[in-house]
Amino acid sequence: EDKVVQSPLSLVVHEGDTVTLNCSYEVTNFRSLLWYKQEKKAPTFLFMLTSSGIEKKSGRLSSILDKKELFSILNITATQTGDSAIYLCALGTSGSRLTFGEGTQLTVNP
Amino acid sequence: GAVVSQHPSWVICKSGTSVKIECRSLDFQATTMFWYRQFPKQSLMLMATSNEGSKATYEQGVEKDKFLINHASLTLSTLTVTSAHPEDSSFYICSARPGWNEQFFGPGTRLTVL
Repeated sequence: EDKVVQSPLSLVVHEGDTVTLNCSYEVTNFRSLLWYKQEKKAPTFLFMLTSSGIEKKSGRLSSILDKKELFSILNITATQTGDSAIYLCALGTSGSRLTFGEGTQLTVNP
Repeated sequence: GAVVSQHPSWVICKSGTSVKIECRSLDFQATTMFWYRQFPKQSLMLMATSNEGSKATYEQGVEKDKFLINHASLTLSTLTVTSAHPEDSSFYICSARPGWNEQFFGPGTRLTVL
């Protein structure tokens, strides 16, 4: 059974800090690993990773995948209060099904 | 582009009634749509995969007679929660796939059953 484990479950930091969110997985038929940000409503897409070692970057956010060790990290530098959200890691497998992890609740305090 | 809408955003109903939730892809055609459920402080759990013109594929443990899915067109899928009970209260989210691997999520529907 495909499995996604995120850590930590919850994180509280001050504005300006850098955070690293972890996602490890077990999968039978890997197609992609995706990161989403969820505030009050449905998740919004951040990154999709399919290849090992290639960093994807968008502003202060970046992510990388290690298919050998079966994990991915999401980095956020110079955090802002608007980064407060739940960050979800999802495994994309055959048939475009997504299996989500429990999420990391990030709180950025001013 | 790639906008998905859901209707209604919030619904409160009495126990025993049925509730229909619509999911529309506004600017693309979606051969596949997915329905998720999210309980408070939990992650999204896939309920079913809906393919246009065919029967939905339900995940293990999801009752297909209770959660009726109809994907009548390439831009619309509906989820009907039949004979809803308080334990069905949850946040229901749909997503639509335009043809490549990415999924685009709707804003969600919060269902409260009294």
